[in-house]
Amino acid sequence: DGGITQSPKYLFRKEGQNVTLSCEQNLNHDAMYWYRQDPGQGLRLIYYSQIVNDFQKGDIAEGYSVSREKKESFPLTVTSAQKNPTAFYLCASSIGLEREYTGELFFGEGSRLTVL
Amino acid sequence: QQPVQSPQAVILREGEDAVINCSSSKALYSVHWYRQKHGEAPVFLMILLKGGEQKGHEKISASFNEKKQQSSLYLTASQLSYSGTYFCGTAAGGTSYGKLTFGQGTILTVHP
Repeated sequence: DGGITQSPKYLFRKEGQNVTLSCEQNLNHDAMYWYRQDPGQGLRLIYYSQIVNDFQKGDIAEGYSVSREKKESFPLTVTSAQKNPTAFYLCASSIGLEREYTGELFFGEGSRLTVL
Repeated sequence: QQPVQSPQAVILREGEDAVINCSSSKALYSVHWYRQKHGEAPVFLMILLKGGEQKGHEKISASFNEKKQQSSLYLTASQLSYSGTYFCGTAAGGTSYGKLTFGQGTILTVHP
């Protein structure tokens, strides 16, 4: 079945450590996104990528980094510079410009990061 | 700027109707609605593009008033499965893809 796989589902990190969240999709989607979800605040865009080897900052990119070396993969690194990293992180993908855009984002099941 | 959703929470009995509103201070190209059940990924419900066409999905429909920069989600004859948090996401341009700005969410609880 096609979909988006995020790992790990739960992650604990000590302050000062970097951590990388994995996101893999087999939907053949061009665009991929990382959103952060905090209680009562909805989803906020961290980074997005419309094509391999290209990505753009979202609304809250500070303290995060990404790479897009393969179409299927869009890992997110939460660096020690992120002041409040404890949150639920959601990866998503969508069809890109070259094909009909339906507006639908397909989300993974999320990774919950807790900083101790 | 984040769109504002109202109400923040709704409690219904099965069969009752509800309306969730989403209001933006920016001119919008599209409004997207998602539902998220506790501990699960958000699921796409529908997109409304500039033009005001009302869309429908089973007993869930929505409208988009581009002049007022508002969208409303209508849930009729609610079912237990409708429980969850509803988010509207807005895009300012046609090429924004999933670069959405989401509202804070509306928690809908349906009781038997």
